[in-house]
Amino acid sequence: GAVVSQHPSRVICKSGTSVKIECRSLDFQATTMFWYRQFPKQSLMLMATSNEGSKATYEQGVEKDKFLINHASLTLSTLTVTSAHPEDSSFYICSAPQGITPGAFFGQGTRLTVV
Amino acid sequence: GQQLNQSPQSMFIQEGEDVSMNCTSSSIFNTWLWYKQDPGEGPVLLIALYKAGELTSNGRLTAQFGITRKDSFLNISASIPSDVGIYFCAGEGGSEKLVFGKGTKLTVNP
Repeated sequence: GAVVSQHPSRVICKSGTSVKIECRSLDFQATTMFWYRQFPKQSLMLMATSNEGSKATYEQGVEKDKFLINHASLTLSTLTVTSAHPEDSSFYICSAPQGITPGAFFGQGTRLTVV
Repeated sequence: GQQLNQSPQSMFIQEGEDVSMNCTSSSIFNTWLWYKQDPGEGPVLLIALYKAGELTSNGRLTAQFGITRKDSFLNISASIPSDVGIYFCAGEGGSEKLVFGKGTKLTVNP
């Protein structure tokens, strides 16, 4: 079946550096992908909607200049956490809809630790 | 904004028992979804519900989309140890954006 592949699964970076997370749809095309953040023992919170060929739309309170999203092709969306701070440490997960099912597939998640 | 109330927060059951969890919302949704998340992994879709009143099964799992479109439940029958994990409900009210419940942590004792 269709799969969304997210990479890397874990990353540790120093404060002030940038980290890029990739999300690929492996055997289907996704004009829209979604990025969520999940803090320990909490639920998933939508950060932004990634739109192929156009600008991403961000949820209230999410800094677009800090969380850069690029959806350059129908199978790849990237999230770049810029100038990372320890409070950005979290579990980041992408998802893609398929057909009439929103959230049909989720990536494996990326555990980001900023030291 | 939209909020989902998911209960119970956690459950401790014996293998073979049935489990029920539910979500309620202050606003209506077009789609209800139920997920299972294992530690360190992304959520996996278990059941998707598309219209009010819909009752759908997936193996030992059964879920229903409430008539008011503001609630949904998930039942797991004859639980087994591999059912352990965190179960999330999610609602979609338009534009494919999901709102998640806070999760139900299920522990199954052999």
